[in-house]
Amino acid sequence: QPVLTQPPSASASLGASVTLTCTLSSGYRNYKVDWYQQRPGQGPRFVMRLGTGGIVGSEGDGIPDRFSVSGSGLNRYLTIKNIQEEDESDYYCATDHGSGSSFVWVFGPGTRLTVL
Amino acid sequence: EVQLVESGGGLVQPGGSLRLSCAASGFPFTSYWMHWVRQAPGKGLVWVSRINNDGSSTSDANSVKGRFTISRDNVRNTLYLQMSSLRAEDTAIYYCARSRQSATYFDSWGQGTLLTVSS
Repeated sequence: QPVLTQPPSASASLGASVTLTCTLSSGYRNYKVDWYQQRPGQGPRFVMRLGTGGIVGSEGDGIPDRFSVSGSGLNRYLTIKNIQEEDESDYYCATDHGSGSSFVWVFGPGTRLTVL
Repeated sequence: EVQLVESGGGLVQPGGSLRLSCAASGFPFTSYWMHWVRQAPGKGLVWVSRINNDGSSTSDANSVKGRFTISRDNVRNTLYLQMSSLRAEDTAIYYCARSRQSATYFDSWGQGTLLTVSS
């Protein structure tokens, strides 16, 4: 099954932009990746799904258009423009694999974004 | 408004059992797959179990296979996780989440319920 890799931390200044990276393990180049935001003390929130051709479906409820996704090779990116204080969160990528009783979901370890 | 409200967490001794519940409202429950995802204190998200719309198909993470059973009651719009042979490493916040068969991302989540396994 796929493995997702994320750097443990990132930081950006208020009003700046930041790109978070999620890397799929070799052999899973065509897999869709989902991004989730988890603010301190809260449950996770769906941000958006990235397929090989770009965003799949709609953004999650309340996700501002400052958030966008892109991909290259095994890398999947979440870019946040004009960073606000409320964007300080843990960001997780995830994907699914298999079918039926072997259908599993895998999360990356998460990136903690600090707003400076 | 979509609502997923987990309950049933608490303190359990190693080797013990517990059942978690997730009450769903604000959407057609039978149109969605349902999942449990957990998060150990200070750690990342880990998918646990999934059940399809009518409960006829389930899948589980290797770490819980044979110990946890996911089920649903489509009359009561409630998701369950029956947990047995609990270990200290099962200590976590347990979230329920929903997805569609055609769009397998978790588009709504509950606020979670905390399970602590300790003697």
